[in-house]
Amino acid sequence: AQSVSQHNHHVILSEAASLELGCNYSYGGTVNLFWYVQYPGQHLQLLLKYFSGDPLVKGIKGFEAEFIKSKFSFNLRKPSVQWSDTAEYFCAVNAQSSASKIIFGSGTRLSIRP
Amino acid sequence: DTGVSQNPRHKITKRGQNVTFRCDPISEHNRLYWYRQTLGQGPEFLTYFQNEAQLEKSRLLSDRFSAERPKGSFSTLEIQRTEQGDSAMYLCASSFASRNNEQFFGPGTRLTVL
Repeated sequence: AQSVSQHNHHVILSEAASLELGCNYSYGGTVNLFWYVQYPGQHLQLLLKYFSGDPLVKGIKGFEAEFIKSKFSFNLRKPSVQWSDTAEYFCAVNAQSSASKIIFGSGTRLSIRP
Repeated sequence: DTGVSQNPRHKITKRGQNVTFRCDPISEHNRLYWYRQTLGQGPEFLTYFQNEAQLEKSRLLSDRFSAERPKGSFSTLEIQRTEQGDSAMYLCASSFASRNNEQFFGPGTRLTVL
């Protein structure tokens, strides 16, 4: 069965600090990988996605993620966070073979101190 | 707004009552998904449709839950004899049926069972 682990439940950073959120998944086949973000009071939005090709993926708002197949990881990074990045971040995976349900991690709450 | 819409946005009901939620997907999308999200957790897959056919149901979907998509457009999720444990955010998403399965999420319906 597929599963996703997010290592940090709550991360607190100051503005301009660098960010890395860990994500590991469990699945033996070929996967699609996603990071979704949920800003306070808003619905889930796609931040970035990996389907194939270059394992370094760039998303919106300066975020990027690197797929390391040997480590089953898809960590999210941003070199300099802003107060507006305060949100809940979800790593997610689905199997390319079925391309149906997405399995989400439990999320990481990111709080940015102004 | 051409995104996924859900109604109602909030529903408060008493235990034992039936509730029904509606989801209108992005019009060109042939796949529609239902997820449930509880506090502090990521969304959990419930079921999905391709056109009007319900192709997969999670074990989370007890026999009190039923979902329909009669004309392959909007979908309804009904919960019969609600229990307090049903309190959650119910999310709908839609996508094209493809290997690269990017799902677009609606704002959700927050259900509170008293």
